[in-house]
This record gives sequence, C-alpha cells and structure tokens, in this order.
Amino acid sequence: AQTVTQSQPEMSVQEAETVTLSCTYDTSESDYYLFWYKQPPSRQMILVIRQEAYKQQNATENRFSVNFQKAAKSFSLKISDSQLGDAAMYFCAYRSEQGGATNKLIFGTGTLLAVQP
Amino acid sequence: GAGVSQSPSNKVTEKGKDVELRCDPISGHTALYWYRQRLGQGLEFLIYFQGNSAPDKSGLPSDRFSAERTGESVSTLTIQRTQQEDSAVYLCASSPDRINEQFFGPGTRLTVL
Repeated sequence: AQTVTQSQPEMSVQEAETVTLSCTYDTSESDYYLFWYKQPPSRQMILVIRQEAYKQQNATENRFSVNFQKAAKSFSLKISDSQLGDAAMYFCAYRSEQGGATNKLIFGTGTLLAVQP
Repeated sequence: GAGVSQSPSNKVTEKGKDVELRCDPISGHTALYWYRQRLGQGLEFLIYFQGNSAPDKSGLPSDRFSAERTGESVSTLTIQRTQQEDSAVYLCASSPDRINEQFFGPGTRLTVL
C-alpha cells in the first residue's frame, strides 16, 4: 500500500522569506501523481501544485515550486516570497494512475505553516 | 460557477443517533469522493462514485457507514449508531472524471457527544 509522510508538523517563516515543506512517499507503482493542497481555517482544500511522476521537470506555479526526486521518493514544496495569506495547513497527497485504480488521494498528516509579519 | 457544497456545515449529535451528511457536486462532474479528516490528521478516503459504476467502498471503516448517489447528482453519507470516534470533518470532492483534479467542498464537522 502507498503511504505519504510529512515529518514537519509545524513550520514558521517570516513574511517575504522562503520556506520548504518536506514530503516523502512510498510506492511500488511507476505511474502516479503527487499534489500539494492548502487548507486554511475555512477547511476548504485548495490545490496548490501537482506533479506527474513521468515528468522529470519540477512543476512551478507562481511562487510555489516543487523539488521532485523520484528515486528518493521525495516531493518537497518551496514557497517563495511568503505572504500572510500563505498561512495554512499544507497536505502532500499521492494518487495512483495505475489502470483500474480508483484515483483516490492518499494524504500525509499535514504541516501547519505560520507566516510571521 | 458554483463549487461543491456540503450540508450541514456543523452537526452535533448524541452517541447512538444516526446522521446524514449531504454533498452537492459541481454540475457535470461524474466522479465523487468522500473523505474523513480526524483532528490533526490527514484526509482518509471513504468511498468513490463514478457515474453509474459500482462504487468503491473500500475505505468505509465499518458497516455503520454507507453512502448513496443517484446518477451524477447529490450524494448522502449516512452514519448509523454514531460513536465518539466518528467525530471528524467529512469532506466531499467531485471531479469531471476519474483522472482530473478533485474539487473539494467545505466539509461537515461532526461532533458526537
């Protein structure tokens, strides 16, 4: 079974600085997607960024980028120029792309990010 | 357009009572997922509906949990004889199909006293 591990329960960053959130996963599959979701206090899960496992190039979305190391099964999220609105719980998630899979998301336990003004 | 909506937003119930949670997916989305989020934890998959196919119920924790969905419309998650360990936020997500992004609702916070 696939598992996702986030080893940092809490992180803090100064406004305008850069922070990196860690995520590792375990799988024997070759086809999958990885995601980072943001969950503010409103509980609404918001997709931040996604990475296809077959792509070597790291995904980037504005201030958010990932460092995808497939062999090491590592998928970290870098937030540049942190803003107060980035404060939230961040979840790393895995989704199988194997034939016949349900495509359910498998989540880590989350990292609570605080942004200091 | 309208996103995924869930009702009620919050539900407090007594141990042993049955509860029904509702999810209205985005119109046209054929895939619908239910997840449970316990305090301080990540989301756990419960059940998946895809069109008229048989649902994937592999994540349901016990036979007290059940869910229904008619076609590509509303889904209800029912928990019978609620227990304190059922206290959690229940999140619903819908997707245009099984491979695209899942869009989440705001969740229902269930508290079992």
